[in-house]
Amino acid sequence: GIQVEQSPPDLILQEGANSTLRCNFSDSVNNLQWFHQNPWGQLINLFYIPSGTKQNGRLSATTVATERYSLLYISSSQTTDSGVYFCAVVGETSGSRLTFGEGTQLTVNP
Amino acid sequence: DTGVSQDPRHKITKRGQNVTFRCDPISEHNRLYWYRQTLGQGPEFLTYFQNEAQLEKSRLLSDRFSAERPKGSFSTLEIQRTEQGDSAMYLCASSSRRPGSYEQYFGPGTRLTVT
Repeated sequence: GIQVEQSPPDLILQEGANSTLRCNFSDSVNNLQWFHQNPWGQLINLFYIPSGTKQNGRLSATTVATERYSLLYISSSQTTDSGVYFCAVVGETSGSRLTFGEGTQLTVNP
Repeated sequence: DTGVSQDPRHKITKRGQNVTFRCDPISEHNRLYWYRQTLGQGPEFLTYFQNEAQLEKSRLLSDRFSAERPKGSFSTLEIQRTEQGDSAMYLCASSSRRPGSYEQYFGPGTRLTVT
């Protein structure tokens, strides 16, 4: 099946810093989503971005489908940005299932 | 739109007991998914329904697991003869019936602890 790799696995920032999270995938995709998982386990939708670029406030994402990667940018980070960020994809031959990466654990210190 | 809801939020059970979880999707969504997440890992797909039809099942879904969506609305996931390895967060998601709209929205999850 499709493989999803996220980097870095862990990231520690000072409040106000910018960061880039990367997601590589091994095959063509129909769907790519970025999630933030809060401390209670809730997955919060950040972006649905199988291709192109989107922005939402301090967050933006870019997916280059032909090169099989996606990037999540966080600018002017805040302590509330802390948590685990997941990239998940639906491969073209994977039916409808999302395949998740192992996540990036982000810690933003005050 | 109240989002995806799951019940219960937490369940503690003894090994060998049966447990059942419920998921209510977003009301206009015809697709419903179950995932399982263990500590430190990303969620893993278990099964998928379109309306009442179960269209995909993962190899993770052993014979002790059964999922239903009898009227194409809410779904239940039952685990029989629970084992300690079943301890995990069970997540439900739903997505729209609109063609090409594949974005999945997740519920808060049911955290299962098997003692």
